[in-house]
Amino acid sequence: EVQLVESGGGLVQPGGSLRLSCAVSGFTVSSNYMSWVRQAPGKGLEWVSVIYSGGSTYYADSVKDRFTISRDNSKNTLYLQMNSLRAEDTAVYYCARDNYYYGSGSYYPAFDIWGQGTMVTVSS
Amino acid sequence: DIQMTQSPSSLSASIGDRVTITCRASQSISNYLNWYHQKPGKAPKLLIYAASTLQSGVPSRFSGSGSGTDFTLTISSLQPEDFATYYCQQSYSTPHSFGQGTKLEIK
Repeated sequence: EVQLVESGGGLVQPGGSLRLSCAVSGFTVSSNYMSWVRQAPGKGLEWVSVIYSGGSTYYADSVKDRFTISRDNSKNTLYLQMNSLRAEDTAVYYCARDNYYYGSGSYYPAFDIWGQGTMVTVSS
Repeated sequence: DIQMTQSPSSLSASIGDRVTITCRASQSISNYLNWYHQKPGKAPKLLIYAASTLQSGVPSRFSGSGSGTDFTLTISSLQPEDFATYYCQQSYSTPHSFGQGTKLEIK
């Protein structure tokens, strides 16, 4: 069964750190593009970061230099290391597979599989 | 970065109604446009990719159209399970930004 299960969320003080995990089953993390997407309480979706199958990584400006995406191929797990956390980082964090659909001579990325989300609260 | 704007922000409709949600990109994104819906407390679900291609398992009452900067999602006959928040997302360039969402409520 294809499944993504996030863990590691919780309450952390401003300036603190947290590492989120996303355990993947049913496909290989290292062969896919994987992203983190977050949703602040009552707000919309915000893309946070992606790691490509080749290892390249990209970040939203709002988290650049504070967050690091990585993966452990042996554990088939995706991570998000979050440092220097701010109140505005409070959100549900989802991991998602960034699938590339082929059609009409092009590849079209879309998040086709999502985890259930893990809540991160940054507060003193 | 590309900005995505949805309209309306909220919408009330009845079972069986035909509903259209609009999404506009701040620059041309060809047909690199996805639609998701999300129910309270749940993860988003992919409905449509490449502007008009239905994801496997999604009912045919959902359809998408558009290219360039203007896109629409249409639900031909609303069912009870369709009441949710809908998001568009561009996948033309990183960051793959989302619209602000359209909340579809029961009238």
